[in-house]
Order: sequence, then C-alpha cells, then structure tokens
Amino acid sequence: AQTVTQSQPEMSVQEAETVTLSCTYDTSESDYYLFWYKQPPSRQMILVIRQEAYKQQNATENRFSVNFQKAAKSFSLKISDSQLGDAAMYFCAHYPPDKLIFGTGTRLQVFP
Amino acid sequence: SQTIHQWPATLVQPVGSPLSLECTVEGTSNPNLYWYRQAAGRGLQLLFYSVGIGQISSEVPQNLSASRPQDRQFILSSKKLLLSDSGFYLCAWSSGAGANVLTFGAGSRLTVL
Repeated sequence: AQTVTQSQPEMSVQEAETVTLSCTYDTSESDYYLFWYKQPPSRQMILVIRQEAYKQQNATENRFSVNFQKAAKSFSLKISDSQLGDAAMYFCAHYPPDKLIFGTGTRLQVFP
Repeated sequence: SQTIHQWPATLVQPVGSPLSLECTVEGTSNPNLYWYRQAAGRGLQLLFYSVGIGQISSEVPQNLSASRPQDRQFILSSKKLLLSDSGFYLCAWSSGAGANVLTFGAGSRLTVL
C-alpha cells in the first residue's frame, strides 16, 4: 500500500531563517510524482512544489526547494528566508496513477 | 480559465439526517474528480475519486457515497449521518489521464450533532 509519513507534527522557525520539513513515502511504482501542498488558516489547499520521480534534479520554486532521495524514499521541503505568510499546515503527497495520497501534515509556525 | 465550486461552505446536521455536498468544475472537460475528508488535526483522507461519468472508486468503506451524474459534477452523499462524519470535506479536480496536479475547492465544513 502506498503511504506517506510526516514525522514532525509541528515545526517553528524564526523569520528570515531556513526550515526543513521531512517526508517519507512508500510505493511500489517506478514512475510517480511527489508534491508539497500548503494549507493556510483559510484552509484553501495551495500547491507549493512538484517533483517528478524520474528527474534526479531537485525541484525549486523561489524560496522553496526539495531534497529528493529516491532510493531512500525521502522528500523533504526546505523553506529559505522564512516569512510570516509561510505559517500554515504543510502536506506532503504522493501521486501513483489516478490519486493523490497525503501525509498527516506538519504545522509550521513562523516567529518574528 | 478553470474554476471549481463547492457548496455548501458550512453545514450543521443532526445525527441520522441525510447529506449532500456538491462540487462542480468549469472550464474543462472530462476531469478527474476527488473527494477528501480532513478530520480535526489530521491529514487528508481520500474518500472517492472518479475518472469519468458514472465511474466511482471508493477508497475507504464508510457511511458515505459519491456520484457523478454529469461530466463536471461530483456529489458526496449520505443517507444517515454519524457523529464521526464531522469534518472538513474537500473536492478537487485534475485534468484527466496523465495529469497529476490537483486543484482544490474551498471546502465544506460539516458538523454532525
């Protein structure tokens, strides 16, 4: 069964600092996608970043980057220069064909 | 451009009453459609997904059902709500076979009393 594990229920970071959120997954698929979604207090789910498993290069989107370790089935999210607006729930997700499987989320607090 | 509408936004229902949550997508055809539930303090659990009209895949046996009567309409229903059905329900869509980025609706908060 495909599973996604986020072992950090809560994390905190000082504004302008860097924080890394962890995620591991389990799959028998060889071709798949991985995602990080952000859920702010409004509860609207927002796509942060996407990684294609066949690509060795780690995805980046402005201040957000991932460390994708395919053999270890690890997919961490690094947020650089953290901003107050980054405070939210962050969900790691895995896409085998046809459906997106989410982890339980990490609540990120950002302190000024 | 594509948009997704989900309603009602908030619902308070007594135990044993029926439920109907509706989701529609505009600006695309033959989307994949999804229903997720987010219980308090927990992640998103996939309930149902559909790759076409009348095609429903159920992920978790439960008190709920889903239907797709039209290409861009996805309905989540229950005949008799349980307390455990309380939660935040999210509808999402993706652009079909091979696509993988899901776009989510604003969600429906259901409280069963």
